[in-house]
Amino acid sequence: SQTIHQWPATLVQPVGSPLSLECTVEGTSNPNLYWYRQAAGRGLQLLFYSVGIGQISSEVPQNLSASRPQDRQFILSSKKLLLSDSGFYLCAWSLGTTGGQETQYFGPGTRLLVL
Amino acid sequence: GENVEQHPSTLSVQEGDSAVIKCTYSDSASNYFPWYKQELGKGPQLIIDIRSNVGEKKDQRIAVTLNKTAKHFSLHITETQPEDSAVYFCAASYTGGFKTIFGAGTRLFVKA
Repeated sequence: SQTIHQWPATLVQPVGSPLSLECTVEGTSNPNLYWYRQAAGRGLQLLFYSVGIGQISSEVPQNLSASRPQDRQFILSSKKLLLSDSGFYLCAWSLGTTGGQETQYFGPGTRLLVL
Repeated sequence: GENVEQHPSTLSVQEGDSAVIKCTYSDSASNYFPWYKQELGKGPQLIIDIRSNVGEKKDQRIAVTLNKTAKHFSLHITETQPEDSAVYFCAASYTGGFKTIFGAGTRLFVKA
């Protein structure tokens, strides 16, 4: 069966510091991978998605970036965090076969607080 | 682009009553509609989904209906229980598209 991991679970960072959040998927090959951000009590904002190694599509211009160095690894980064980067970050995967009509499966999330 | 509207934003019901959450989508090409349940501090989990060739699907106390003509789909929870309390998201996607568009979410409270 497939599992998705995210770490860390919680992170408190000062403004201006760098960020690296990691997501890994087990039990599947060539998945589509997604990063979402969820502000407190709000919906899901798609940040990035990737359909293959090195292929990243950005949905929202901001000071965040994403990378996919390996097939089942997705990394969210920032060089300098802003207060507005605080939120709940969710990684998700879907089968990379049909290009749609695919269920997305979410990880447990990383709660980021920027002070 | 595709837009999914979800209502209500908050829903409070008595234990044992039914709860209904409604969503509307804008892109007629959408053909897959999943529903997710998110408990506090956790990632959303799929609870049921429906494809455009089906009008209704049921799984125990949960059912989803789809009206393609009106571009409406709804989640029905019967005999609600306190553990049903969570945030529910509807979503829409289409064949060939890599993105799923989510509704804003409905916070459901089930009072014991």
